[in-house]
Amino acid sequence: DTGVSQDPRHKITKRGQNVTFRCDPISEHNRLYWYRQTLGQGPEFLTYFQNEAQLEKSRLLSDRFSAERPKGSFSTLEIQRTEQGDSAMYLCASSHIQGVDEQYFGPGTRLTVT
Amino acid sequence: GENVEQHPSTLSVQEGDSAVIKCTYSDSASNYFPWYKQELGKGPQLIIDIRSNVGEKKDQRIAVTLNKTAKHFSLHITETQPEDSAVYFCAASIRNSGAGSYQLTFGKGTKLSVIP
Repeated sequence: DTGVSQDPRHKITKRGQNVTFRCDPISEHNRLYWYRQTLGQGPEFLTYFQNEAQLEKSRLLSDRFSAERPKGSFSTLEIQRTEQGDSAMYLCASSHIQGVDEQYFGPGTRLTVT
Repeated sequence: GENVEQHPSTLSVQEGDSAVIKCTYSDSASNYFPWYKQELGKGPQLIIDIRSNVGEKKDQRIAVTLNKTAKHFSLHITETQPEDSAVYFCAASIRNSGAGSYQLTFGKGTKLSVIP
């Protein structure tokens, strides 16, 4: 049983560039979440998918952020025109609809915007 | 929205002693309270959780208690070992009645150091 995987693990980009992250959830998990974690803080909710439908977005998710889960399996999170304030760890979690609440996290993608 | 407060922010204990981390939440609608352990450079790992219809849950050296009236819950680690050293996060789940989301609201974390 493989866990949640994320790619890349680290990304360094210059301000103004676009970046895209990928998340592969645990097989058969139909719920997928994106969180953002800054240094010394707990993860903060960004958005949530049930299958391919994006059902909820946080106000933290500005217009520069977009997430997709086209076939209800893997998901991508794109940040356009990156800013230094976007530097953070981006975490993906998945859960099974019958498990209700148990979210399992991936290792995260560390983004550094220079 | 939900707000979760966590204390202390840092905790040092001698190996073999117990550690207690406490959290409070604001929204009485929250009904699920997981605890995560995060080691350096890794994602959070679910270690134990408790639901609102249960007052206490135990798993080997780890236990969690919940007081719904007071809106607080605690993590207890007994017989601590050096490998317990990590950052621990509490969280609360608030259901969005429209979308059925189970988004987690996290505390700010407790850095636990177990001294050999």
